[in-house]
Amino acid sequence: GQNIDQPTEMTATEGAIVQINCTYQTSGFNGLFWYQQHAGEAPTFLSYNVLDGLEEKGRFSSFLSRSKGYSYLLLKELQMKDSASYLCAVRDSGAGSYQLTFGKGTKLSVIP
Amino acid sequence: DADVTQTPRNRITKTGKRIMLECSQTKGHDRMYWYRQDPGLGLRLIYYSFDVKDINKGEISDGYSVSRQAQAKFSLSLESAIPNQTALYFCATSDSITPSQLHFGDGTRLSIL
Repeated sequence: GQNIDQPTEMTATEGAIVQINCTYQTSGFNGLFWYQQHAGEAPTFLSYNVLDGLEEKGRFSSFLSRSKGYSYLLLKELQMKDSASYLCAVRDSGAGSYQLTFGKGTKLSVIP
Repeated sequence: DADVTQTPRNRITKTGKRIMLECSQTKGHDRMYWYRQDPGLGLRLIYYSFDVKDINKGEISDGYSVSRQAQAKFSLSLESAIPNQTALYFCATSDSITPSQLHFGDGTRLSIL
């Protein structure tokens, strides 16, 4: 089984930097994924990490430490349009099917 | 046009009714999934299919069934709907090269009274 934990809500100011943490416990880790979901819309893929370290993609970066069961999503130069829920998901190879298990999501509100 | 299309977008029905949610895709992906999303519970996998002849149960398959009629179509059925199946349902697709990069439809909001 898997246990994924992330904060329920966060608030940050436009132009600032925010870090959204995700911790997980899994029997057969095979990758960690971040999705963005605006209110009333479908989730969209943001990034993934399989190896330890930082992956940068424009204003968004994602970090992974497999030994600590820990990841974070870093959003720089926040914009109002970044207000959304951010979903952490873990891929577990234990069952051989490489399915994703999602955390409950972190709702980020960006304020002026 | 959307690459992953779900119909209907909204549905209100009564307990005990049979309901079918449909999903079609033009992305050419071989893998298709049904998830439900509930406030405070996140996205949970109901069923998934890697091929027309392949059907697999997810985390919460009880009370649901699926049919993969063609590579592009994957339908979800609730044989006898109950109120706790009220949720937002998403269909998703992925290819075998990037299997965890899911492409979601716009969702079906289902209310069971």
